[in-house]
Order: sequence, then C-alpha cells, then structure tokens
Amino acid sequence: TQLLEQSPQFLSIQEGENLTVYCNSSSVFSSLQWYRQEPGEGPVLLVTVVTGGEVKKLKRLTFQFGDARKDSSLHITAAQPGDTGLYLCAGVPNAGKSTFGDGTTLTVKP
Amino acid sequence: DTAVSQTPKYLVTQMGNDKSIKCEQNLGHDTMYWYKQDSKKFLKIMFSYNNKELIINETVPNRFSPKSPDKAHLNLHINSLELGDSAVYFCASSQAHLAGGQETQYFGPGTRLLVL
Repeated sequence: TQLLEQSPQFLSIQEGENLTVYCNSSSVFSSLQWYRQEPGEGPVLLVTVVTGGEVKKLKRLTFQFGDARKDSSLHITAAQPGDTGLYLCAGVPNAGKSTFGDGTTLTVKP
Repeated sequence: DTAVSQTPKYLVTQMGNDKSIKCEQNLGHDTMYWYKQDSKKFLKIMFSYNNKELIINETVPNRFSPKSPDKAHLNLHINSLELGDSAVYFCASSQAHLAGGQETQYFGPGTRLLVL
C-alpha cells in the first residue's frame, strides 16, 4: 500500500495569512493530484502535477511536485475564508489504484 | 446539470438492515468508483468499474456488493449493516481508469450513512 501523509492535519489561520500544506510519501508516483472538499460536498480536483519539480499556480494557490515525485506541497498566499475546506492529495501510480492522503482541514477566519 | 449524482444524500438505518445507494453520471465516462470516507476524513477506494466490468475490489466485506447495469450507473448494495459502516460514501467517475494517467475524477455529493 502506498501511503500519503499530509501535514498539518488541522490548520486554523486568520484571513490574509500564508500557509503551506505538505503531502509526503516513500513511493514514487506517476502524477499527483490535489483536491479541495467543502463541507457537505465531494472532493473537487484543483490541479494535477506530473513532472518532478513542476510548479503550477492557480490564482493564490501554488502547487509543487517534488523532484523525485514522492512529495508535493500546496502554498496559499493571503488566505481567504473561501479557502476553508479539506485539502486532499492523491498519488497516481504507474499501475494500480490511486491513493488519497489523510487530508488537511483548513479554517480561515475572517 | 449535475455531473455525478447520488441518492439518497442521507441514510439513517438500523443495524442488520439491507440498503442500497445509487449513483449516476451524465459525463459519458467509462469508469466509476465507490469511496468510503470515515469520520477522520480519510478517503479510501472500495471499488472501480470500467465499462461495467469490475477493475478494483479492495478488501471490503462481502456484505458490500456493487452493481453496474450500464456504464452510467454504479449502485452499491450493503447487506446486514453494521455500526462500523457509518461513513460518507462517495461515487466518482473518470473518462478512463486512473492508473498511470492524469485522469480527473469527478465526485458526487456523497451519501451520509448512519447505522444505529
């Protein structure tokens, strides 16, 4: 089983602060995806990173795939209350099923 | 229009009962999945079907039986419900199977199952 560990598990910050969420594994993945899940809803894909070292930006969100394709980070600049939710990373292997991380619950207070 | 829909959204039932959850996707995708999300928010795959054929069958009790009448539908029947089955069950779909690709999974809104 390919395990993905996310840190921190819980994060509560004030509006305007910056934050980084980490997703780590000992396994190599073909690609890695980040999802956001809002309360009462299903996860929604934010981004897929494929190449080692790749950086993708989505407005105030910056995603990076580790050089060895074993880890990833999500950085949010100037967080807003609308960023509140559960952030999940998912590793997609060359073969077999994808694996979800254990999630980071983010709360941004106004 | 809803891409992936599930019914019911909430399900409260007694231990020992049998219940079904239905899922439909109107995206024309070939692959559908069932996930279980526990109280700690951990999302774990249970089954995946590609064109009505079972691809992934994780270590799930035999009480759980998926059925795919066509590639747009994947239902989940649960026999003899137990307290530990309480969770949120998500259906998802993707154009092709995930392994090795960059497929996007589209998730339904979830079914919140509470077994009393």
